[in-house]
Amino acid sequence: AQSVTQLDSQVPVFEEAPVELRCNYSSSVSVYLFWYVQYPNQGLQLLLKYLSGSTLVESINGFEAEFNKSQTSFHLRKPSVHISDTAEYFCAVSDRLSGGYQKVTFGTGTKLQVIP
Amino acid sequence: EAQVTQNPRYLITVTGKKLTVTCSQNMNHEYMSWYRQDPGLGLRQIYYSMNVEVTDKGDVPEGYKVSRKEKRNFPLILESPSPNQTSLYFCASSLSTGAGGYTFGSGTRLTVV
Repeated sequence: AQSVTQLDSQVPVFEEAPVELRCNYSSSVSVYLFWYVQYPNQGLQLLLKYLSGSTLVESINGFEAEFNKSQTSFHLRKPSVHISDTAEYFCAVSDRLSGGYQKVTFGTGTKLQVIP
Repeated sequence: EAQVTQNPRYLITVTGKKLTVTCSQNMNHEYMSWYRQDPGLGLRQIYYSMNVEVTDKGDVPEGYKVSRKEKRNFPLILESPSPNQTSLYFCASSLSTGAGGYTFGSGTRLTVV
């Protein structure tokens, strides 16, 4: 069985400061990893994903995440946050299997609050 | 525009009164899923569907029903709603499971009194 842990339920950070949102996972097989963002009163949007290849993946709005197999982590980082980054961020994992249905398990979310 | 459409966005109902939340996607996705979101619990899967007429239980299926008669539609049915089903519900679809990533609807906030 797979699981995802987001230890920080809320992260306050000042505008233009760097931020790291932590995500750890567990699985008995290889995985795909995702970060989703949920802005207020909206659904979740896929921010970035790791499938294979380079362990560092980037989004179009300046976020990046690094897959660390030995640490079983997929932390999300941004060097300088903006007010518009205020949202809830969800880490998710899916087993890398062929055929059938691969369940996606979500973490409990981290609320990023950017302070002006 | 590629999207998942849920209706209604907000719904207040009374205990025991049957209701249906509709979900439709225009991306020809095979996989569809329903989640509920509760504070501190993240997203929990209710039901999923791999294709037309193929559905299966997720982690919290009790009190819910689904159907997949057409590829684009995946309604969520609460036959006899109870207050513990008060939650924020999301429908999502994906071209493939695993690597694809989900496209989510905007959500339905349900209150059962």
